[in-house]
Amino acid sequence: EDQVTQSPEALRLQEGESSSLNCSYTVSGLRGLFWYRQDPGKGPEFLFTLYSAGEEKEKERLKATLTKKESFLHITAPKPEDSATYLCAVQSAGGYQKVTFGTGTKLQVIP
Amino acid sequence: DSGVTQTPKHLITATGQRVTLRCSPRSGDLSVYWYQQSLDQGLQFLIQYYNGEERAKGNILERFSAQQFPDLHSELNLSSLELGDSALYFCASSVGQINEQFFGPGTRLTVL
Repeated sequence: EDQVTQSPEALRLQEGESSSLNCSYTVSGLRGLFWYRQDPGKGPEFLFTLYSAGEEKEKERLKATLTKKESFLHITAPKPEDSATYLCAVQSAGGYQKVTFGTGTKLQVIP
Repeated sequence: DSGVTQTPKHLITATGQRVTLRCSPRSGDLSVYWYQQSLDQGLQFLIQYYNGEERAKGNILERFSAQQFPDLHSELNLSSLELGDSALYFCASSVGQINEQFFGPGTRLTVL
């Protein structure tokens, strides 16, 4: 069965203090790995899609990377508005191609 | 605004009842996904439809069913409701079957 584990569960950073969030996965053939941002009570907002090991994507202060076993979301010089829960998801190639989400990392950036 | 709409925003009902949640995907998107999010279990994938056909299934209970209509809107039917069904239900859509998903604002279901 496909599994996604995100760490840490919660992270508290000072404004400007860079860090990384981890997403470890096991999947029967990876079709795609997705990163989302979710604010409380709202639907997840798409950030990145990664398809193969070695791929990197960047958007403002965020950079996502992918290896064969894990993905990292690097946050450079975060601002308070980056506070949110960051979700990682994988879509498998085999069988029903279902999507499996991790439980997320809740990020708080303090001014 | 993702372009995905869900109705109703809030729903309060009693155990044993049946409800229908509705989702309209973004213009041009053929895939619709349904998710359940509760405090203790995170985002759980329920089911995916692509152009009217079921394409992927998660841990969807037998009491739950869904369909996608010719105009591509989708409905999630929840029956014989239990207290544990209280959760946020999200719909998402994507262009194809392996693309990034765009989520709606969700329907908050409370079962009393």
